[in-house]
Amino acid sequence: GAVVSQHPSRVICKSGTSVKIECRSLDFQATTMFWYRQFPKKSLMLMATSNEGSKATYEQGVEKDKFLINHASLTLSTLTVTSAHPEDSSFYICSARDWTRSSYNEQFFGPGTRLTVL
Amino acid sequence: AQSVTQLGSHVSVSEGALVLLRCNYSSSVPPYLFWYVQYPNQGLQLLLKYTSAATLVKGINGFEAEFKKSETSFHLTKPSAHMSDAAEYFCAVSDRTGNQFYFGTGTSLTVIP
Repeated sequence: GAVVSQHPSRVICKSGTSVKIECRSLDFQATTMFWYRQFPKKSLMLMATSNEGSKATYEQGVEKDKFLINHASLTLSTLTVTSAHPEDSSFYICSARDWTRSSYNEQFFGPGTRLTVL
Repeated sequence: AQSVTQLGSHVSVSEGALVLLRCNYSSSVPPYLFWYVQYPNQGLQLLLKYTSAATLVKGINGFEAEFKKSETSFHLTKPSAHMSDAAEYFCAVSDRTGNQFYFGTGTSLTVIP
């Protein structure tokens, strides 16, 4: 149980295009999902927290108009990188929480999405 | 505020030797502590977690960690390293709500045959 998937696992796009990354909780309802960015050889940086049905909360320094987050259902959150540029190339990881579990304070992580912007 | 410090960005051990990865935390409230492992181009896999029950926590793949409040530490150990243990390891701390996860900078473990 507590499986989180991401799609796509890898994406290559041209500079200036937009890319959508999906994060799904497969066997539980995730009222809260998180989006992280990981640079090579670096730790995870929290980008934003999204709650189902409400606007995402972005961390300081993260452009909300650049990284659009939608959490329209209890099992799906999407991150759209708009007008992508090479500096947006990174590994993006989502995680989700399940309030119904005794481990409600644990985050379950997706496998990540490798974005390369040419 | 909470934070995590992982001492040693790279650790090398011989196969069969003891693995010790260090993690110290800072928290103004009783923390929850986690260790995750990440293999190349993959997401994070939970190794073990401390949530205020037993201070010695056993995880998967033979790993364990001990919560020491007096030392504000949560070091990860494994008695005998295996080649498959080579990966990146992250320590993380959160408050009781789980809304804020703070990750350490990671420790890359190399296992020498």
